[in-house]
Amino acid sequence: AQTVTQSQPEMSVQEAETVTLSCTYDTSESDYYLFWYKQPPSRQMILVIRQEAYKQQNATENRFSVNFQKAAKSFSLKISDSQLGDAAMYFCAYRSSGSTGRRALTFGSGTRLQVQP
Amino acid sequence: KAGVTQTPRYLIKTRGQQVTLSCSPISGHRSVSWYQQTPGQGLQFLFEYFSETQRNKGNFPGRFSGRQFSNSRSEMNVSTLELGDSALYLCASSLGLAGGLYNEQFFGPGTRLTVL
Repeated sequence: AQTVTQSQPEMSVQEAETVTLSCTYDTSESDYYLFWYKQPPSRQMILVIRQEAYKQQNATENRFSVNFQKAAKSFSLKISDSQLGDAAMYFCAYRSSGSTGRRALTFGSGTRLQVQP
Repeated sequence: KAGVTQTPRYLIKTRGQQVTLSCSPISGHRSVSWYQQTPGQGLQFLFEYFSETQRNKGNFPGRFSGRQFSNSRSEMNVSTLELGDSALYLCASSLGLAGGLYNEQFFGPGTRLTVL
């Protein structure tokens, strides 16, 4: 079974600074997807960024980028120019490609990000 | 386009009762997945429905069940409630079965269930 580990329960960053959230995962599959979701106090889960395992190029979405290291099974999220609105719980998630029938998201335990003004 | 809606948003029940939660997916989405979120266990997958059929199931007891209607709306039911069932229940919809990268799952705001 796949597992996702987020070793940082809480992180804090100053507004306009950069912060990196860590995520490692364990899988025996070669084809899969990785995601970062944001859950603000409103509880609505919002997709931040996604990465296909077969793509070596790291995904980027505006101020959000990832460092995907397939061999190390590491998938960290970098938030640049942090804003107050970035304060939330961040979840790393894994999903099989679907060929095995296992399509459910497997989530890490989350990292609570605080942004200091 | 309206997002995923879940009703009710808050619910308080007592042990032994049963509860039904509802999820209306984004218009045109045919897949609905349910997740349970608790402080202790985190986010865990319950089940996925597509075209009124359960396609995938997580590791939960049979007290947890669901169904999907022809309009893709889904309900989940928990019978004989236990204190440990207190959780945020999240519903997510996607166009098709959640197997492709861009077949993104859009989450609803959740239903907060408290069991006393």
